[in-house]
Amino acid sequence: EVQLVESGGGLVQPGRSMKLSCAASGFTFNNYDMAWVCQAPKKGLEWVATISYDGSSTYYRDSVKGRFTISRDNAKSTLYLQMDSLRSEDTATYYCARLGLPGIDYWGQGVMVTVSS
Amino acid sequence: DVVLTQSPATLSVTPGERISLSCRASESVDTYLHWYQQKPNESPRLLIKYASQSISGIPSRFSGSGSGTDFTLSINGVELEDLSIYYCQQGNSLPYTFGAGTKLELK
Repeated sequence: EVQLVESGGGLVQPGRSMKLSCAASGFTFNNYDMAWVCQAPKKGLEWVATISYDGSSTYYRDSVKGRFTISRDNAKSTLYLQMDSLRSEDTATYYCARLGLPGIDYWGQGVMVTVSS
Repeated sequence: DVVLTQSPATLSVTPGERISLSCRASESVDTYLHWYQQKPNESPRLLIKYASQSISGIPSRFSGSGSGTDFTLSINGVELEDLSIYYCQQGNSLPYTFGAGTKLELK
């Protein structure tokens, strides 16, 4: 069974950093591109970042370029999202997602990040 | 970026009726269009892939159609458990953008 379990969320002050992790199991992690998707409270889904199966290629939405870094450790089957210079508008639930299609086939349960002083 | 426009934003439904939700792309995405269901306080789940392909474990009342820029998700006989928000997503080009969603509510 495919499982994606996020961790690392919580309350953080504006301008500070936070690192999210996503532990994957139930599939061969290094065969799949992975992504982070966010959902602000009561809002829709937004693409945040994507990383290729081997980590050689990444993609970021414009609003997080230069502030967020997606990475992966294939030996540990773990995906990461390093978030720096956080802003109030980054407040959202962040989902780890597997790109089993050209698109998402599995989602994690999500982790809440609240940016507030 | 490809813009996906979903309509209607909200649909009031009666259990048992057949309904259709629309997703329109700003440019052709071929059949790289997927549908997701998100229930309150849950993660989204994949309902339909590649515009019309069914997913194991998803009830047969859900079906999809379309290609290019116009797509439809149909529910043949809505049930109470289907009251959710439905999103489309394109997988033709990064970023794999989402539509804003259609919320099904009880009439």
